[in-house]
Amino acid sequence: GENVEQHPSTLSVQEGDSAVIKCTYSDSASNYFPWYKQELGKRPQLIIDIRSNVGEKKDQRIAVTLNKTAKHFSLHITETQPEDSAVYFCAASIKGGSQGNLIFGKGTKLSVKP
Amino acid sequence: DGGITQSPKYLFRKEGQNVTLSCEQNLNHDAMYWYRQDPGQGLRLIYYSQIVNDFQKGDIAEGYSVSREKKESFPLTVTSAQKNPTAFYLCASSPPLAGGRNEQFFGPGTRLTVL
Repeated sequence: GENVEQHPSTLSVQEGDSAVIKCTYSDSASNYFPWYKQELGKRPQLIIDIRSNVGEKKDQRIAVTLNKTAKHFSLHITETQPEDSAVYFCAASIKGGSQGNLIFGKGTKLSVKP
Repeated sequence: DGGITQSPKYLFRKEGQNVTLSCEQNLNHDAMYWYRQDPGQGLRLIYYSQIVNDFQKGDIAEGYSVSREKKESFPLTVTSAQKNPTAFYLCASSPPLAGGRNEQFFGPGTRLTVL
C-alpha cells in the first residue's frame, strides 16, 4: 500500500542553524504534500504545503522542495529558534477511492538548543 | 484554534468497557477523520467519512466503530475488542478538494488511558 518515509526521527540543532527534514512517498499519483507542526500536547497545525505542479515554496523562514521524479520532498527551516522545537509530520495525498485522504510520515522531533 | 472540538480531553477506561470519543466541527466540512497517535508511530487513520451517513475503514479500524448521522459530528467508539487502546486520538475535518489541495484541520485530541 501507499507509504511515506520520514527522516530523521530526531534532529537537534543550535539556535540560528538550519534544519532539514526529508520524506519519500510511494504513490506516484500523490499531488499534495503538506507539513504539520505539533507542539507537545497540542494538535497538529499546517505550516506549509506544496502541490505537485510546483517545485519549491517559501514562507518566511520555512520552505518546502518537491522532486516528483524521485518522489521525495523536504522541509527546510532557516535561522531556527527555540520555538521551532516540536514534532514535524510530512504527508502525501492519496488518489482513488479514498481521494482526499493523507498518508503521514512517522514524524521528526526537532530540538533547537539556545 | 476554534472550529473543531473534541471531548473529553482525558479519558480513563477500565478493561472490557466501551467508550465514545466526541468530535464536533462547525466549519461546514464534508469530510471527517479519526487518527490514532502513538509515540514514534505518526498518525494512523482509523476511520473516515466523506459525507453524512457514509464512512469507510482506515488502516487500523479493528476494535473501533463510528457513526456519521450529522455533518457536524463524527463520534468514535473504542470497543473492548481493541487490544491496546491507550493512545492519543485526533479528529480532523477537511473542506471539499480545491485544486487538489486537501488541508485537514485537527481537533485538540483526547488522551485515552486504559487502567
